Amino acid sequence: SQTIHQWPATLVQPVGSPLSLECTVEGTSNPNLYWYRQAAGRGLQLLFYSVGIGQISSEVPQNLSASRPQDRQFILSSKKLLLSDSGFYLCAWSVIEGAGAFFGQGTRLTVV
Amino acid sequence: AQSVSQHNHHVILSEAASLELGCNYSYGGTVNLFWYVQYPGQHLQLLLKYFSGDPLVKGIKGFEAEFIKSKFSFNLRKPSVQWSDTAEYFCAVNAGDTGRRALTFGSGTRLQVQP
Repeated sequence: SQTIHQWPATLVQPVGSPLSLECTVEGTSNPNLYWYRQAAGRGLQLLFYSVGIGQISSEVPQNLSASRPQDRQFILSSKKLLLSDSGFYLCAWSVIEGAGAFFGQGTRLTVV
Repeated sequence: AQSVSQHNHHVILSEAASLELGCNYSYGGTVNLFWYVQYPGQHLQLLLKYFSGDPLVKGIKGFEAEFIKSKFSFNLRKPSVQWSDTAEYFCAVNAGDTGRRALTFGSGTRLQVQP
């Protein structure tokens, strides 16, 4: 069966520090991969999606970047975190059209 | 681009009451529609989905939703809620006529069921 791993679960980082959140998927090949951010009272906002290795589409301009170095690995990064980067970040994958997406447990990032 | 509106931000019900959560989307083409649920402390889980066929879809735990194309709506219903249904519910849509598959979510509805 397919599983998705996302870590760390929680993270507290100072302003200006770098960020690296990792997500890996098991049990499937060539998935679409996504990074979402969930802000309180605002639902989920799509940040990045990837349809293949090295292929990244950015949905909103921001202080973050994403990379897909391997088929089932998706990384969310920042060189210098801002206070406004605080939030709950979710990785997700999908394969079949219409089947929806499957989400990881999420990372709660607090920038202080 | 598509968008999703969930007009009920916080709903409080007593056990055994009926539930209907509203969801409206805007997109002119073919859509796939989803409801996700997030129980306290847990990750998002798919509750039900529609992508073709019968517009009345049934999901897990007694939930159902009806796709009304003329109203651009996909409301979630349950005839009798339980305390364990306390959670946050998200409606989502993706454009069925593209290969993008990324979901656009509504802002969510927090459901609180009182025993």
